[in-house]
Amino acid sequence: DVQLVESGGGLVQPGESLRLSCAASGFTFRGYWMHWVRQAPGKGLVWLSRISNDGSDTSYAGSVRDRFTISRDDAKNTLYLQMNSLRVDDTAVYYCGRGGLSGYIDYWGQGTLVTVSS
Amino acid sequence: EIALTQSPGILSLSPGERATLSCRVSQSVGSSFLAWYQQKPGQAPRLLIYAATNRASGIPDRFSGSVSGTDFTLTISRLEPEDFAVYYCHQSGRSPITFGQGTRLEIK
Repeated sequence: DVQLVESGGGLVQPGESLRLSCAASGFTFRGYWMHWVRQAPGKGLVWLSRISNDGSDTSYAGSVRDRFTISRDDAKNTLYLQMNSLRVDDTAVYYCGRGGLSGYIDYWGQGTLVTVSS
Repeated sequence: EIALTQSPGILSLSPGERATLSCRVSQSVGSSFLAWYQQKPGQAPRLLIYAATNRASGIPDRFSGSVSGTDFTLTISRLEPEDFAVYYCHQSGRSPITFGQGTRLEIK
């Protein structure tokens, strides 16, 4: 079965950094594009970033482009999101997802909560 | 950035009724790049429909998707108690990828 397990969330202060991880299993990780999506408390889904199956192509939402970096380690079957200069409005549950053929997200992790507060 | 406008914001129906949820896209993206997700409280989203009209694996056939130009529709033919949730549309045809704001389907 496809499994995606996020980790690395927690409480940080504004301006600090955090790296999220997404451990993948049950499928050939190197064959798939991967995504990060977040959801602030009580709000809707917001797409953040995606990375191609070979890591050569990345894209970002404008709100995070200069602060967040997506990467992957196919040897470890793990997706990452490096988040720098965190702001209070980055507080959210962060989900990783597996990309389908036309960019939809066919499997989602359970999410990890990031809280940015002083 | 392509905007997805979902309507209504809240839909109140009873089990057994038919639900029609709308997603209007601000620019053409191609039907291959429109998906629908269901999210229940405290859970991750679940893919329902991809490429506008294709049901994802394991999704009951009471869920269907359709498209007319830039208007996409998710229809639930006969509501079951477990269908009451929030539904999101999503486009991946143009960067940045965007989601609609969601439609909350609640029990009347």
